[in-house]
Amino acid sequence: AQRVTQPEKLLSVFKGAPVELKCNYSYSGSPELFWYVQYSRQRLQLLLRHISRESIKGFTADLNKGETSFHLKKPFAQEEDSAMYYCALSGVETSGSRLTFGEGTQLTVNP
Amino acid sequence: GAVVSQHPSRVICKSGTSVKIECRSLDFQATTMFWYRQFPKQSLMLMATSNEGSKATYEQGVEKDKFLINHASLTLSTLTVTSAHPEDSSFYICSARAYSARGFPFYEQYFGPGTRLTVT
Repeated sequence: AQRVTQPEKLLSVFKGAPVELKCNYSYSGSPELFWYVQYSRQRLQLLLRHISRESIKGFTADLNKGETSFHLKKPFAQEEDSAMYYCALSGVETSGSRLTFGEGTQLTVNP
Repeated sequence: GAVVSQHPSRVICKSGTSVKIECRSLDFQATTMFWYRQFPKQSLMLMATSNEGSKATYEQGVEKDKFLINHASLTLSTLTVTSAHPEDSSFYICSARAYSARGFPFYEQYFGPGTRLTVT
């Protein structure tokens, strides 16, 4: 079984402060990890995935297989980063199919 | 590119009736689409994988006779909630799988805006 845990439902930081959204996973095979973001009144969209090693909008995430974590980080949060963030998991063999989502973290960046 | 639409955006139906939700890939072809369900303040749960030209694959616990999926073309998948009951009220989201529009050699899922179903 595959499982994704996001321990914080709500996270509030001030503009310019560092932010870290936590994600832990459980999966017996080779995992592929993703972060999705949903801005207010918009659809879910892919922020980044661990395989591509991207940095999108200043966000980065490193897959730590030892700790089974894929935390999302940004050194200086901006107000426009306020959104719902979902961590998601699939198996490498399914190439992005059959996503299992965490429960999401609502990030609020205060001015 | 890679835009997915859903219709309707919201629907209210009476208990016992059926309702159909459409998911379209507007500017690309998708052999695989997915249907998710999201309860208030909860995460998305995968209901089924819709494959063009073949039967859908349902996740454990999802009644295939209640949630009928048809993927008749490379740009359209439909979800029909049959004999709807108030407990079927939810937010239904579809996604379509396509090669990354960002130029990476990976598949991505592109999500529709969702359909709010209310069964009275």
